[in-house]
Amino acid sequence: GENVEQHPSTLSVQEGDSAVIKCTYSDSASNYFPWYKQELGKRPQLIIDIRSNVGEKKDQRIAVTLNKTAKHFSLHITETQPEDSAVYFCAASITPGGSYIPTFGRGTSLIVHP
Amino acid sequence: NAGVTQTPKFQVLKTGQSMTLQCAQDMNHEYMSWYRQDPGMGLRLIHYSVGAGITDQGEVPNGYNVSRSTTEDFPLRLLSAAPSQTSVYFCASSGTSGNEQYFGPGTRLTVT
Repeated sequence: GENVEQHPSTLSVQEGDSAVIKCTYSDSASNYFPWYKQELGKRPQLIIDIRSNVGEKKDQRIAVTLNKTAKHFSLHITETQPEDSAVYFCAASITPGGSYIPTFGRGTSLIVHP
Repeated sequence: NAGVTQTPKFQVLKTGQSMTLQCAQDMNHEYMSWYRQDPGMGLRLIHYSVGAGITDQGEVPNGYNVSRSTTEDFPLRLLSAAPSQTSVYFCASSGTSGNEQYFGPGTRLTVT
């Protein structure tokens, strides 16, 4: 089955800095790569996703890049703010047509210091 | 729409007790899943369902049962609670495109 590795497990930055979280996946058939943000005590929520036919996607201060050949994808957050502090999860799945079940990375705790 | 709802929010059980965690969604989603979240372990899949009457095991199914008699409901049963089942449990649903997972608010379970 799919295996998703996520690094780092903890990331501490100063407000205004950029943050990068990296994930690798094992199944070359995976074609959907979402990122979820989980604030303390809350449920995970989708913040951005990318499909395998796209190399990069941006939404304001966040962007995701995908390298299919190397089987890795990354989340980039620019101009970090204290409210970006949360746990971020990457995931990979085959959809539609596959099992659809996403495999999650273990999460990255992002701490943004004011 | 209420989205995905879970009850209870908190639960304390004694070892050996059984209970059912409830999950419901009102988005007519085909796919539903149960995850457990433990520190440093991410979200681990317990069981999932691709439609009413169809369920399958995930990564960590031992000690849990599920059923899916309707599209809306996907209860998780703990057969004989153990301290190792102390965790936060999330239910999630997804539409037929299998894209975004919509998570419930979670149930924090403590087994003593």
